[in-house]
Amino acid sequence: QITLQESGPTLVKPTQTLTLTCTFSGFSLSTGEVGVGWIRQPPEKALEWLALIYWNDDKRYSPSLKSRLTITKDTSKNQVVLTITNMDPVDTATYYCAHISPSDAFDIWGQGTMVTVSS
Amino acid sequence: QSVLTQPPSVSGAPGQRVTISCTGSSSNIGAVYDVHWYQHLPGTAPRLLIFDNNHRPSGVPDRFSGSKSGTSASLAITGLQAEDEADYYCQSYDSSLSGCVFGGGTKLTVL
Repeated sequence: QITLQESGPTLVKPTQTLTLTCTFSGFSLSTGEVGVGWIRQPPEKALEWLALIYWNDDKRYSPSLKSRLTITKDTSKNQVVLTITNMDPVDTATYYCAHISPSDAFDIWGQGTMVTVSS
Repeated sequence: QSVLTQPPSVSGAPGQRVTISCTGSSSNIGAVYDVHWYQHLPGTAPRLLIFDNNHRPSGVPDRFSGSKSGTSASLAITGLQAEDEADYYCQSYDSSLSGCVFGGGTKLTVL
């Protein structure tokens, strides 16, 4: 059974860097054709894809946020980490990590973690 | 402005059939890329409903079906039930953006 759990601060100040960790079980990111992605949802708005990383360390980023995002994986800890620099109140959102299936669908999602950006 | 366009809302009475459209372009749906659909209830994690245009993961009722044609895709829900009231999102890959794209979401109301 695949599970994912997001963790990180619930409150960050403007200009700070946000670090979110996705801890997963039930699969390995060192085997083929799988990956982990990050998606967020601001209050009352749509889902927005942020970044993803595949088993072979191939990384993709949302073009609109690419300069602020970094995604890494630690296969020994079964974790994927997303950092977002220069946080702004518009980055207030629920952040989800999700398992990427071989068909490139986000088939299993974590419960999400709410992050508020405020001074 | 989302890359994939969905109607903001649809509605139907219990037992009826509704469809949700997802319109893209030649760099995403109109290319070789598959469309996936998600159901999202407030306060819960999104749930994969349809993958690869028209396949259902195990556990998803066959009341849900998907299709793709040209630069558009559709999600159909038959035999509407009150529990189907949720937000629905389409998702694909875009070659010009080199990344995933979501639709703006459609709120389904069961009357």
